[in-house]
Amino acid sequence: NAGVTQTPKFQVLKTGQSMTLQCAQDMNHEYMSWYRQDPGMGLRLIHYSVGAGITDQGEVPNGYNVSRSTTEDFPLRLLSAAPSQTSVYFCASSYRTGTGVGNTIYFGEGSWLTVV
Amino acid sequence: ILNVEQSPQSLHVQEGDSTNFTCSFPSSNFYALHWYRWETAKSPEALFVMTLNGDEKKKGRISATLNTKEGYSYLYIKGSQPEDSATYLCAFGEAAGNKLTFGGGTRVLVKP
Repeated sequence: NAGVTQTPKFQVLKTGQSMTLQCAQDMNHEYMSWYRQDPGMGLRLIHYSVGAGITDQGEVPNGYNVSRSTTEDFPLRLLSAAPSQTSVYFCASSYRTGTGVGNTIYFGEGSWLTVV
Repeated sequence: ILNVEQSPQSLHVQEGDSTNFTCSFPSSNFYALHWYRWETAKSPEALFVMTLNGDEKKKGRISATLNTKEGYSYLYIKGSQPEDSATYLCAFGEAAGNKLTFGGGTRVLVKP
C-alpha cells in the first residue's frame, strides 16, 4: 500500500526560488493537509482541503499556495522561498466524516527543505 | 490560535521503567484528541483517536486516558523498551471544525 506519498524527500533552495512539494494519496481520502514541523513547535497546519476544488488556510499559510484539482493530489507551492521556510513538511490525509477531526490521519514521510 | 501543551518536552526513561506524560487542551468545543508516535525520518504514526470523556485506549504497552471536562489526556508507557524512543504528539480537534491543533510533543528516550 502506497498510502501518502511525498516528493521530493530533500531539497535545497536559494532565497527567492519557487518550488512545488508534491503529495498524492491512494486511499480515496477527502481530507488532505500540509503541516510544517519546526523544533519544539510540533506540527503547524499550513493549508488543508476537505475535497477536490476546496481549500482553506491553516495556522501558517503565508508564503504558500495549494490547489486540489483531484481527490488524490494536493501540491504545496512555495512562491518565493525564504530562510524562514526551512523546515520539515508533512502531507497528510484522512477519511472525512462530519467534521473530519475524529478520524485517524495518515502522514507522508516528510520533505526536508532548506532555504539558503 | 488554540493552546495545546505537552509536558514534559523531553524525558529520559530507564529500560523497564514505566512513564507517563500529559497533553493539555481547551475544555470547550471538544470533539477529538489524537495521539501520534513519531520517529525521526519516519511518518508520524497514529496511536489513538479519543472522543469520549473518560475514554481509555490501549495498544500493547501504551495506553491513554482522556478528561475532556478538565482538558487533559495522559499517555502511559508500561515497561519502556528502547524501541519506544520517539516523539509523542497529541492533537486537539474542535467540534464543527476541520483542523487539528498539535502540541509541541514529548520526546522520550529509553536508555538500555
